[in-house]
Amino acid sequence: EAGVVQSPRYKIIEKKQPVAFWCNPISGHNTLYWYLQNLGQGPELLIRYENEEAVDDSQLPKDRFSAERLKGVDSTLKIQPAELGDSAVYLCASSLSTEEETQYFGPGTRLLVL
Amino acid sequence: GQSLEQPSEVTAVEGAIVQINCTYQTSGFYGLSWYQQHDGGAPTFLSYNALDGLEETGRFSSFLSRSDSYGYLLLQELQMKDSASYFCAGHNFNKFYFGSGTKLNVKP
Repeated sequence: EAGVVQSPRYKIIEKKQPVAFWCNPISGHNTLYWYLQNLGQGPELLIRYENEEAVDDSQLPKDRFSAERLKGVDSTLKIQPAELGDSAVYLCASSLSTEEETQYFGPGTRLLVL
Repeated sequence: GQSLEQPSEVTAVEGAIVQINCTYQTSGFYGLSWYQQHDGGAPTFLSYNALDGLEETGRFSSFLSRSDSYGYLLLQELQMKDSASYFCAGHNFNKFYFGSGTKLNVKP
């Protein structure tokens, strides 16, 4: 069974530029999470989807961040414009459902904003 | 608010036993999960405690005490490959809050 796929693995951009990350969850997993992880810290939830519905985006900085999961499968997270402080690892995770305590994480996208 | 506290770093020798503690303050708390993350890698699920007591999975065990708002991960027969960061995560109303992680250094 394929795991959670993310791309790109690494991205270097200049500040004020846009950037997008893509995630394909494990087949059949209805719940999809986007996390931000700073160096030496634990993952912080940005947004959670149940199928195509964003059911928790309270931690998403909506002035510059947006996300979509149009068909309830893969998802895109966008930052526009990027700031220096956005440099971090962006992790995608999925689970069968919200009630399922096990989340499966992708390898993450390491973003560096210069 | 939600917070989970764990030591930032622990060092142990190969073959030893190490315990990583996690104390939490959450409301509507469901359970405590543990994840392992190697440098540059993805967090991987280790265990979950919904009830008080000990859960054992091979060399790893996890414990939860709701009355003390406390849990721990116990790693036995440490191996070099166990060097990684370990995160506790609180499960609350279908949200997950992660601690800042404990970096485990296993020495020969």
